[in-house]
Amino acid sequence: DAGITQSPRHKVTETGTPVTLRCHQTENHRYMYWYRQDPGHGLRLIHYSYGVKDTDKGEVSDGYSVSRSKTEDFLLTLESATSSQTSVYFCAIRGTGEKNQPQHFGDGTRLSIL
Amino acid sequence: GQNIDQPTEMTATEGAIVQINCTYQTSGFNGLFWYQQHAGEAPTFLSYNVLDGLEEKGRFSSFLSRSKGYSYLLLKELQMKDSASYLCAGETGNQFYFGTGTSLTVIP
Repeated sequence: DAGITQSPRHKVTETGTPVTLRCHQTENHRYMYWYRQDPGHGLRLIHYSYGVKDTDKGEVSDGYSVSRSKTEDFLLTLESATSSQTSVYFCAIRGTGEKNQPQHFGDGTRLSIL
Repeated sequence: GQNIDQPTEMTATEGAIVQINCTYQTSGFNGLFWYQQHAGEAPTFLSYNVLDGLEEKGRFSSFLSRSKGYSYLLLKELQMKDSASYLCAGETGNQFYFGTGTSLTVIP
């Protein structure tokens, strides 16, 4: 298994509260990604990082922010959660040692916003 | 956006061969990746293609035609455990764009 851990695995919270999801890797990979997965939409990229303090937006970045202060950790924050952000969130990592490396995914975080 | 299309559902018989198609409408993909995802679990990497042609990995093979914007995943000797969703993803600029996945049900 790729050394990637997401926390928490499940969370229920209320609309308007801040939420932070953590992705931790032990592979020293450069690239880290946050996706959300919803029925009928598949996996959609929220934000990704290509190095410490280097991040960029994906296709569904509104309402989300990220931070990467060290190689191993990539945090996803919902500043003020809304019910539309109820989803399963996956973190992924990707090495760059060899071209066309695949992504490897964490086990996911199931987030419910009530 | 990057339009990637896959059939929503497929059913096949144990021991048979099934082909899952993926079409895309962009010329910018560096590679085309296939993932398997069992219900309630994370996607796991199966296969990828960079050049046109067939890549074989045991019971799984993947094919790519860049000029036609077309790929398929071929699963041979189907087993019940192959019941899962299969995700097609194109990669460009270190970003991955996923199709909505094909839910495969293997029946006895």
